Parts: sequence; C-alpha cells; structure tokens
Amino acid sequence: GAGVSQSPSNKVTEKGKDVELRCDPISGHTALYWYRQSLGQGLEFLIYFQGNSAPDKSGLPSDRFSAERTGGSVSTLTIQRTQQEDSAVYLCASSVGTSGGARRRDTQYFGPGTRLTVL
Amino acid sequence: QQPVQSPQAVILREGEDAVINCSSSKALYSVHWYRQKHGEAPVFLMILLKGGEQKGHEKISASFNEKKQQSSLYLTASQLSYSGTYFCGTTGTYKYIFGTGTRLKVLA
Repeated sequence: GAGVSQSPSNKVTEKGKDVELRCDPISGHTALYWYRQSLGQGLEFLIYFQGNSAPDKSGLPSDRFSAERTGGSVSTLTIQRTQQEDSAVYLCASSVGTSGGARRRDTQYFGPGTRLTVL
Repeated sequence: QQPVQSPQAVILREGEDAVINCSSSKALYSVHWYRQKHGEAPVFLMILLKGGEQKGHEKISASFNEKKQQSSLYLTASQLSYSGTYFCGTTGTYKYIFGTGTRLKVLA
C-alpha cells in the first residue's frame, strides 16, 4: 500500500492482558515513531527507530511497554499486563529518515491508529 | 521540552482569521505544521526551514523565526474544513517533538 497501515484498528481487552499493535510503514522509510494520544490530548512520544541504530525508548511510560522493528520494516508495540490508563489511540508514523541537515525536511506520515480500550 | 502552542483552543466564524503560535525553549532547525481532524490521524500541512521564512498554501501560511524559536500559523478567511487540532512539529538534533496542540473550531 501507499501509506502507513496499522492493525488492529480497534482493540478491546481486559485489564491484565497483553496486547500487540502492529505498524507497517511506507516502503523505504527508515524512520518509525510510535505515539500515544489520549482522548482530547496531544501526541505523546513513545519510541523512535532509525535504521539499524538502537531505538530511542525514552518515551516509553513503563517497562510494561516494549517495541521492536523486524528487518527495518514492520514494527510491533507490545503492552503487557494492560491497565485502564493505557486506553488511548496508538499512532505510528514513518518518515524517509534522512541524515544530517536533510533531516530537517523529514515529514512524518501517520497511520490511522489503533484505538485501545482496556476494561 | 515540548513546544508550547497558543491559544489552546479557538472558535471562529467562517471567514474570520486566526493565528496559532508555537514556541520552543530549544533551538529549532525546522518547524512542521500538521492538522488532525476528529477521529483521524494528523496530516502534514507545511514545513518551514529558514529563519523568517514564510510558506503558504492557499489561505494558510506560516512564519518561522529561528532567533525567537517561534513559529506562527496564519489561517485567513477560515472555512469549515479548517476545523481540527493543529500541531507544530519541531526538529532539534535528530528527533521530532510535537507541540501541545491548538483546537480550532470554525462555525458556519
């Protein structure tokens, strides 16, 4: 596909269960971001992947959250032992991921998001 | 440090103008503006790369003052379709940081 895709679009789970959210970035994009957006709130940075570099995990709220990116393409965000406060829309974005000064032009393309509801 | 946007929210009548500001405590290398409609993902509007530069698209334009670490988005003769939440995205050393967001509602 031409854009960023995410699955599932909606996920309802019970407190304490684990969930996996998937992101398929635009082909050829080396940079991938995960964000969380609670109802009516802004974009909370979670994690950033750039090529083969170690990911920037500085935004992950707790050790229940983890993410991986296999083969430099698809990424999975895993939330273990979900809590009600984890309920939010999880957005993935990808960009070309240029280096140096060209990075300033790097535009992010967002997926439609996964709406997670923890009961 | 997350850039601060002002105002937090604004309500306009169709045809009115609005200005949304984005202010950072850190040096900015570029500023990007996005609009997010209710229930949808953010969509890129425009990018500003140089100090004082203004970019425009139809009736939406923006300025970027590197020295003041600020950017402003100008919406002229607003239309109903302009409603949504506007975010500035700033680039520093290597990573995007999005601003706090401004909710804009245009009424008929």
